[in-house]
Amino acid sequence: DQQVKQNSPSLSVQEGRISILNCDYTNSMFDYFLWYKKYPAEGPTFLISISSIKDKNEDGRFTVFLNKSAKHLSLHIVPSQPGDSAVYFCAASGSGGSNYKLTFGKGTLLTVNP
Amino acid sequence: DAGVIQSPRHEVTEMGQEVTLRCKPISGHNSLFWYRQTMMRGLELLIYFNNNVPIDDSGMPEDRFSAKMPNASFSTLKIQPSEPRDSAVYFCAITSATDTQYFGPGTRLTVL
Repeated sequence: DQQVKQNSPSLSVQEGRISILNCDYTNSMFDYFLWYKKYPAEGPTFLISISSIKDKNEDGRFTVFLNKSAKHLSLHIVPSQPGDSAVYFCAASGSGGSNYKLTFGKGTLLTVNP
Repeated sequence: DAGVIQSPRHEVTEMGQEVTLRCKPISGHNSLFWYRQTMMRGLELLIYFNNNVPIDDSGMPEDRFSAKMPNASFSTLKIQPSEPRDSAVYFCAITSATDTQYFGPGTRLTVL
């Protein structure tokens, strides 16, 4: 049973437009959420995170929104750039940080077209 | 910046052979994690160490898998004997002072 789900295997957007990647979770004990980006032949790289005490965290072009009641989070990238093309993983932890076990979704392949 | 070296980057072996994957953190860390990525199951945590001590190995698929961390600068993941279903990309990750997990580039294992 998947505790973290990314239901869209892929997403294609035009350069300059907004990319919205979605993630749902089932475990109510999760209290810390992260997004990782992965290029081919590289390891995942940390992008942005959010604690369950917040509903929004912003870092430049990247914003993560958390809806605890719906057990849903999303990553917004605006404006999207071709260099953002990668696989994006949503991850969750139940310990208030990532210095512990992370549960990952299966990822969404984002393609940003010039 | 935290960093992780993994070796080899690619490994092709035959069923039944022993495989050893290596991880070398190149900066200070608190914890070290081994993950496996497959198409079917995505990224799964296999085991993690805190201060060189195994804390949670519940993700290790079976007794054929073992992991060690003899010191803070080195860890190994061993599969003996290997099977075709072990084919995957294996990642090592560490946490830094900022409490964020940093991943190595991974080892792509193919078992024929």
